[in-house]
Amino acid sequence: KAGVTQTPRYLIKTRGQQVTLSCSPISGHRSVSWYQQTPGQGLQFLFEYFSETQRNKGNFPGRFSGRQFSNSRSEMNVSTLELGDSALYLCASSLGGEDEQYFGPGTRLTVT
Amino acid sequence: AQRVTQPEKLLSVFKGAPVELKCNYSYSGSPELFWYVQYSRQRLQLLLRHISRESIKGFTADLNKGETSFHLKKPFAQEEDSAMYYCALRANAGNNRKLIWGLGTSLAVNP
Repeated sequence: KAGVTQTPRYLIKTRGQQVTLSCSPISGHRSVSWYQQTPGQGLQFLFEYFSETQRNKGNFPGRFSGRQFSNSRSEMNVSTLELGDSALYLCASSLGGEDEQYFGPGTRLTVT
Repeated sequence: AQRVTQPEKLLSVFKGAPVELKCNYSYSGSPELFWYVQYSRQRLQLLLRHISRESIKGFTADLNKGETSFHLKKPFAQEEDSAMYYCALRANAGNNRKLIWGLGTSLAVNP
């Protein structure tokens, strides 16, 4: 079956702009989690969505938000971008959230 | 606070040598622990989880609650084991069951 897909793969934005990233989970998976990965901080959990509801949330400011649609596809939005938001954003899907997580290839966001 | 520590950023061994990637955690309850691996130009993927008690690709990991460790071991390293390895923890109770990650250890197996 097709793996987790993320679009776009690369993105360059300027400070102050906003960005929306998309994640399509494996068919049948209802949980989607988002992570920010940077060299200094490693993988940090942003949030998890399950059946269109945010079920868990990490310690990120309110500029980071997300949503999940009825087909389990998820979007992540970052408003008022800062230089420090430059990172690889990974999404992972799983059947119910506590099963094995399957990761997408990531979206590389560069903020200039 | 929940924390996962992987003390080595880089570990270099020769093919055929034993390898141990260290993972220590901080959590007051009973955690679930995982090892994920990322090979070059591939996606992050689950290697093993402590509740499975499996050996995957020759790797094993034992949860030591006394030492709060979950070290990953393989008796004879292969070149194809070269990758980035991440240890992760999930609380086994409560509402917030997010995964907490270590910073990763890059394993290089030299011929």
